Amino acid sequence: GAGVSQSPSNKVTEKGKDVELRCDPISGHTALYWYRQSLGQGLEFLIYFQGNSAPDKSGLPSDRFSAERTGGSVSTLTIQRTQQEDSAVYLCASSLERRDTEAFFGQGTRLTVV
Amino acid sequence: RKEVEQDPGPFNVPEGATVAFNCTYSNSASQSFFWYRQDCRKEPKLLMSVYSSGNEDGRFTAQLNRASQYISLLIRDSKLSDSATYLCVVNFNKFYFGSGTKLNVKP
Repeated sequence: GAGVSQSPSNKVTEKGKDVELRCDPISGHTALYWYRQSLGQGLEFLIYFQGNSAPDKSGLPSDRFSAERTGGSVSTLTIQRTQQEDSAVYLCASSLERRDTEAFFGQGTRLTVV
Repeated sequence: RKEVEQDPGPFNVPEGATVAFNCTYSNSASQSFFWYRQDCRKEPKLLMSVYSSGNEDGRFTAQLNRASQYISLLIRDSKLSDSATYLCVVNFNKFYFGSGTKLNVKP
């Protein structure tokens, strides 16, 4: 596809269940980011993948959050034992390795924990 | 201290007004700079890159002051459609996003 693709676009889950969010970056983009955005708030950095380097996990809020990137392409963000405070929009972005190029965002996954 | 700091606003301005946003960044080794725009309930999208020499795109002008570590965005002749949140973005090994400045352009 032409852009960053995220699925599902909306997810409603019960407290305590696990969820998986998927991001398919732009082909050829080696950098991939996950952010979280609560209503009316700014972007909260979660994790960053760059090529074959170890991911920067410094933004993950707890050990219930994890992410993988398989084959340098698709990424999955997993939230275990979801809590109501996990409700937010989860945004994925990708970019080329060159630092002067922009990051492109997917449309996000709106997660609601009930 | 946050890597990128912005005044959250909101800035409420009439149509046709000129409005300016600033942001400051903490890492003097930052390498590239951007302004993004985010509409309500949408993903952020690139508005413009910011170059050391300053750059202009129609009604929008961006400036970078490396010595003072701040970036500015000037919007002239504001339109209703300019209402959005403007995010200041800095890249030092990875992207750092400011929390955004909300602009409301009123008729």
